Amino acid sequence: AQKITQTQPGMFVQEKEAVTLDCTYDTSDQSYGLFWYKQPSSGEMIFLIYQGSYDEQNATEGRYSLNFQKARKSANLVISASQLGDSAMYFCAMRELGNNDYKLSFGAGTTVTVRA
Amino acid sequence: GAGVSQSPSNKVTEKGKDVELRCDPISGHTALYWYRQSLGQGLEFLIYFQGNSAPDKSGLPSDRFSAERTGGSVSTLTIQRTQQEDSAVYLCASSLGRRSGKSEQFFGPGTRLTVL
Repeated sequence: AQKITQTQPGMFVQEKEAVTLDCTYDTSDQSYGLFWYKQPSSGEMIFLIYQGSYDEQNATEGRYSLNFQKARKSANLVISASQLGDSAMYFCAMRELGNNDYKLSFGAGTTVTVRA
Repeated sequence: GAGVSQSPSNKVTEKGKDVELRCDPISGHTALYWYRQSLGQGLEFLIYFQGNSAPDKSGLPSDRFSAERTGGSVSTLTIQRTQQEDSAVYLCASSLGRRSGKSEQFFGPGTRLTVL
């Protein structure tokens, strides 16, 4: 079964506007971590933001915030005030800690294109 | 260099040949991961090394794939008798390997493998 689902293959957003990228996850572990990575056309994977399953507050990192809804098993990424440099592929990933596991399970990604 | 390095950056090989891909993790990182990314897709976990523990090989797609990590540092991913479906970007990542959920993985630039 797919552990991470990203239903939006591609999105367009106007510069300076906010965009929300959807991510839902599937796990039976009580302890897990959720990550968002950015992959520009150059190919490197850039860590953006992290949310732990026990964190009570939604994570924020600059223009990035994570809308964590645990009961719905969703961890949507919000990018505020989009910039042209935000054009990239964005991946949601999960690490399940129940079995002392370290590997990440990734979604298929969402391509974001920021228009001037 | 402070980041994860991988070599070669590009590898073109003929079907049936063996290839070796190298990863040099961040100094001090005890955990090392290999992922595979097919064109336009998310990352697929291959193998994970943590300190002196036995590696987690659960993601290796076939027995043609193997990896080793010498001296707890550099890792080599070997693909024997390459097939066209092995064509992908192979990404290496390392982390501190802490038990805490946020043990962030830092990715290398990847090796683009093309099997003709």
